[in-house]
Amino acid sequence: DAKTTQPNSMESNEEEPVHLPCNHSTISGTDYIHWYRQLPSQGPEYVIHGLTSNVNNRMASLAIAEDRKSSTLILHRATLRDAAVYYCILFILTGGGNKLTFGTGTQLKVEL
Amino acid sequence: DAGVTQSPTHLIKTRGQQVTLRCSPKSGHDTVSWYQQALGQGPQFIFQYYEEEERQRGNFPDRFSGHQFPNYSSELNVNALLLGDSALYLCASSLGTVNQPQHFGDGTRLSIL
Repeated sequence: DAKTTQPNSMESNEEEPVHLPCNHSTISGTDYIHWYRQLPSQGPEYVIHGLTSNVNNRMASLAIAEDRKSSTLILHRATLRDAAVYYCILFILTGGGNKLTFGTGTQLKVEL
Repeated sequence: DAGVTQSPTHLIKTRGQQVTLRCSPKSGHDTVSWYQQALGQGPQFIFQYYEEEERQRGNFPDRFSGHQFPNYSSELNVNALLLGDSALYLCASSLGTVNQPQHFGDGTRLSIL
């Protein structure tokens, strides 16, 4: 399975931007890059996804490198509620279905 | 608009027993995926159901089986439970099998004694 590599943990101060990196050097041309986050005692929550171009939504922005071998999730102003494990995932379409292959993610700590 | 609901929220079983976990997808969704999440790890894909058929399967033994009903709800069955099956079992639903976000429930915490 195509894999992603993320730092184990990162820290940020509240109200500051956060850049969460992800490497996916074995990505295929049709693989989408998805980001999910998981708060304690909850299931993962979809954040954003993209293929080649940078993407923005109400939660975050996704910057994708031109060679698609890396991407960065950007939280523009971190809040305490953004403290979670963030997963960078390659969305793979195969044989009439799809699957999300999670890694261990990045634990984001947000401090006052 | 109800999201993904899973039942039960917690369950305790002993080794060798069998268990059935249930999932109701988000309204309008027709695809259900199941994941196992061990403590401190990311979720691991078990299988995906669409149109009442298993469409994708992860690296899990045949002790793990599933079913999807005509109303799109799904069950995960695990036979001959092992201590290592203790985990959080997550259900996710989506629309079709193309590139759509998956919506997760909060899971069933299964403990094996």
